Formats: sequence, C-alpha cells, structure tokens
Amino acid sequence: DGGITQSPKYLFRKEGQNVTLSCEQNLNHDAMYWYRQDPGQGLRLIYYSQIVNDFQKGDIAEGYSVSREKKESFPLTVTSAQKNPTAFYLCASSFGQGFGYTFGSGTRLTVV
Amino acid sequence: QKEVEQNSGPLSVPEGAIASLNCTYSDRGSQSFFWYRQYSGKSPELIMFIYSNGDKEDGRFTAQLNKASQYVSLLIRDSQPSDSATYLCAVNGNDYKLSFGAGTTVTVRA
Repeated sequence: DGGITQSPKYLFRKEGQNVTLSCEQNLNHDAMYWYRQDPGQGLRLIYYSQIVNDFQKGDIAEGYSVSREKKESFPLTVTSAQKNPTAFYLCASSFGQGFGYTFGSGTRLTVV
Repeated sequence: QKEVEQNSGPLSVPEGAIASLNCTYSDRGSQSFFWYRQYSGKSPELIMFIYSNGDKEDGRFTAQLNKASQYVSLLIRDSQPSDSATYLCAVNGNDYKLSFGAGTTVTVRA
C-alpha cells in the first residue's frame, strides 16, 4: 500500500540534544513538507522540498535542518538551537502545485 | 502573505443536523481548495477538494466555491458523532505550498 511513514511516533529530547525525525513516502510524490502543530494551533510550515537535492525554508525554519537526498525521504533534524521544540510534527507529500497533501501520522516530540 | 480565515469555533450541532463551515482567502490567484479533517491527536486527512466555482458533493459532504467572493465552504449533512473533529481549510495558489486556516472544531451532540 502506498503511503507516508513517520517515525518514531513519540520522541523525547534532552536539553542541548539534536534529534532527527524520519519521513518516508512511496507515493512517487515530488514535493515533501514539514509542519509543526502546537496544541490548539494551526499548522506552521518549517521546510519544504519540490525536488531532490533542493529545499526551501518555510515560516519557522530557525533551529531546524533538512535534507532531500532521495525522492522518498525527507528527514527533519531539530537542533539544540530550537528553544521550544515540544510540538506535534507532521510530514506531508504531494505531486506538486495544485494537488493536496497526504500527511504522515506525525511525531510527537517532548523535551525532558 | 497568503491568508486563510475560518469561522471561529467551536461549532456545536445536534446529531442529524447540518454543520456549515466557512473559509475566506486573500490570494485572488488561488486555484485549488481543500478541506481536511483532523481528529484529536491525529494527523489531517483530506476529505474534499474543489477547483471550479459551484458545488461538489461526496456522500454527506458538500464543498462550495465562489472565487469572485473568495469564499469556500463545507457542509456536513446528517451530522454524526464521528464527524466531531477539527476541519482545516487549505488553499493553493501558484506554488507548491498550501496555506492553511487555523481550523474550526465541530462537536456533534448525540
């Protein structure tokens, strides 16, 4: 079955630690996205990628980094520079302009 | 900055009633419009999309688009308790990104 897989489902980060969230899709989608959602809030775009080896900053990119070495994969690293990383992180993919997104099931990150 | 505004919630409707959700957008060049449903603690799922002015029906859901008024709506007929969720309006213009509204939370009372 085609889909988009995020792992892990839950992640705990210590202060000063970098953590990487995985996102893999087998939908043959060109574009991939990372969003952050805080409790009771809307979706905020962190980074997006339209094509392999290219990505752009979204509205809240500070403290995050990404790579797009393969079409299927778009991992997100939450660095120690991100001061308030506790949130629900959503990865999505699409065929591109004019198409809707398919979302992964999300990763819930908590700072301990 | 593209803006998508949704009617503030929460919206409470009795079981069997019609739930009406509204969304306005600022970018007149927007071409594609989507409604997502998000259950508490889960990720959004696409339930409707519409590209042309008018109505589009899928089961108990009807999406309505009026590009001249920059307005898109979602009607949920015969509302069920399983429809209780947050509904996100999303709009696409001339790039690869969707602009999302903040969402409207719907509660269906049994």
